[in-house]
Amino acid sequence: RKEVEQDPGPFNVPEGATVAFNCTYSNSASQSFFWYRQDCRKEPKLLMSVYSSGNEDGRFTAQLNRASQYISLLIRDSKLSDSATYLCVVNAMYSGGGADGLTFGKGTHLIIQP
Amino acid sequence: GAVVSQHPSRVICKSGTSVKIECRSLDFQATTMFWYRQFPKQSLMLMATSNEGSKATYEQGVEKDKFLINHASLTLSTLTVTSAHPEDSSFYICSARAIPGGSSYNEQFFGPGTRLTVL
Repeated sequence: RKEVEQDPGPFNVPEGATVAFNCTYSNSASQSFFWYRQDCRKEPKLLMSVYSSGNEDGRFTAQLNRASQYISLLIRDSKLSDSATYLCVVNAMYSGGGADGLTFGKGTHLIIQP
Repeated sequence: GAVVSQHPSRVICKSGTSVKIECRSLDFQATTMFWYRQFPKQSLMLMATSNEGSKATYEQGVEKDKFLINHASLTLSTLTVTSAHPEDSSFYICSARAIPGGSSYNEQFFGPGTRLTVL
């Protein structure tokens, strides 16, 4: 089972629509959760952290369900500039080894159409 | 926000040569830097964790003798791909985490990546 799973898409969505992505993670000991955005051939950029209580930043809302081990991202009133790959990211803490890098999903490709 | 640079941004080399990639935190000190690799249409995969002044911790399946990591200062980590082969062609991205106690601690800031092509 993959550590972080996402539907790769692509999601083709008309401008102005609302779109939602889900992501599941396998490591129940995961501590931190993020959504990153990656444009073609660029580095990922942090979009928002995901908290248990849910959080909202403008048109973006992220939610975490620890019991079911999934994370969601909702984008309202989508813009052409939202077209990108959205990466679900989990910080999996490793005991003893000191390695606590981020575990990335493969990403969900979003295309906003005019 | 914090800035991380990588150099070079792109490199093309012949099979068998070694390539060094630098990762620098420009406006903050990073006790920990991470090296990732991304193949086309794949997710970023953590290769190793680099702590200043100590040996890097490698992920399973990553050869430490092939991917040499040096984290000599709080602002610089280097990754050397030794005896590169075509299958090492990939997008290498570093990230840096600020020192403990700062407001941005635990957030990782990514460099722009280095695209390596081995002929």
